Amino acid sequence: KAGVTQTPRYLIKTRGQQVTLSCSPISGHRSVSWYQQTPGQGLQFLFEYFSETQRNKGNFPGRFSGRQFSNSRSEMNVSTLELGDSALYLCASSPYLPGGNTEAFFGQGTRLTVV
Amino acid sequence: DQQVKQNSPSLSVQEGRISILNCDYTNSMFDYFLWYKKYPAEGPTFLISISSIKDKNEDGRFTVFLNKSAKHLSLHIVPSQPGDSAVYFCAASEKTSYDKVIFGPGTSLSVIP
Repeated sequence: KAGVTQTPRYLIKTRGQQVTLSCSPISGHRSVSWYQQTPGQGLQFLFEYFSETQRNKGNFPGRFSGRQFSNSRSEMNVSTLELGDSALYLCASSPYLPGGNTEAFFGQGTRLTVV
Repeated sequence: DQQVKQNSPSLSVQEGRISILNCDYTNSMFDYFLWYKKYPAEGPTFLISISSIKDKNEDGRFTVFLNKSAKHLSLHIVPSQPGDSAVYFCAASEKTSYDKVIFGPGTSLSVIP
């Protein structure tokens, strides 16, 4: 079974630009979550999608948005990039089980550098 | 305000000895806890979890202990091996929002041969 695939792996953008990151979850997984990892901050939850609907959202400004398609693939968009947005962005997929409590499977991440 | 804290950014342990990684949380609504391991240039991988109805869960060399009254959990690795060298993240979620998982900042473990 293929794992979680994130594209691109690396990205360099300038301040003020926007960026779109893509995530393909494990086949059959319907929940996709996005995280931002920066040194010292660990993984910070951005948002989670299930069946094309955003179910949970972290404490990030509105410049960070996402969506999920009918095939469960998800995209994350950051507009008006700031230097502080430089980070590793990780996508994780989970199978849906009634009652929850499942571990997530992470992709390798997209390393975004804003200059 | 960090809801999940890992106060030790790094830890060094001799091969064969026990590694103990600690995690504290502030949200009393958390009822499910997970540990993930992350190697450089890779995404985190799930290691072990524990539900709040238990105080211990064991899987091979890995054991997680949960002390709900102290809002504290720990991961024990016995015996530690050089391949265990990685960053370990503690994570937690609450019953009403299982898919919103809050991670700690991570502890970098180095196992010295």
